[in-house]
Amino acid sequence: DAKTTQPNSMESNEEEPVHLPCNHSTISGTDYIHWYRQLPSQGPEYVIHGLTSNVNNRMASLAIAEDRKSSTLILHRATLRDAAVYYCILRPNLYTGTASKLTFGTGTRLQVTL
Amino acid sequence: EAGVTQFPSHSVIEKGQTVTLRCDPISGHDNLYWYRRVMGKEIKFLLHFVKESKQDESGMPNNRFLAERTGGTYSTLKVQPAELEDSGVYFCASSLGGSSTDTQYFGPGTRLTVL
Repeated sequence: DAKTTQPNSMESNEEEPVHLPCNHSTISGTDYIHWYRQLPSQGPEYVIHGLTSNVNNRMASLAIAEDRKSSTLILHRATLRDAAVYYCILRPNLYTGTASKLTFGTGTRLQVTL
Repeated sequence: EAGVTQFPSHSVIEKGQTVTLRCDPISGHDNLYWYRRVMGKEIKFLLHFVKESKQDESGMPNNRFLAERTGGTYSTLKVQPAELEDSGVYFCASSLGGSSTDTQYFGPGTRLTVL
């Protein structure tokens, strides 16, 4: 499985944008890039995913490098409720059982301060 | 609409005892997954059900773990006998489809402590 590399931790001030990087230099041409986050004492939750083009949703934006070897999750205005561990996950573009599982790394712990 | 629920939220047992964890997926979700995080480690996949069938059980650590999903609705994960290294948080997730673009919705987890 292709691996991802993320910084262990990042800090942000509230109301400011946050850019969370992820390196995935061994990504396959058909791997989707997913982001999940885990808030304290909760299960992981989906944030966003993409393949080649940049993506936006109500939670965040995903910027994917042209060579797809890296991506950046963008929180446009961080709030205290965004403090969580953010996971960048690659998922093979296969409709098979083994492609369904999520492979979590260590993620980036985001701290948001007033 | 109710999310994924798990029961119990916490369980404390002694080594050698049996524990059964339960997961109720989102209604209509055929795909159900079990994951766990043991102390200091990353969240690891255990297995994946499609309806009542085990689609992928490559992450099950050993034969002390038994997962079932009779009738394709809720699922149970039994640990028998429990060992100290089984302590951790067990998460259940469900999804409508099983493709690589289907969102997995996670429950809050069951924290298992084996003494």
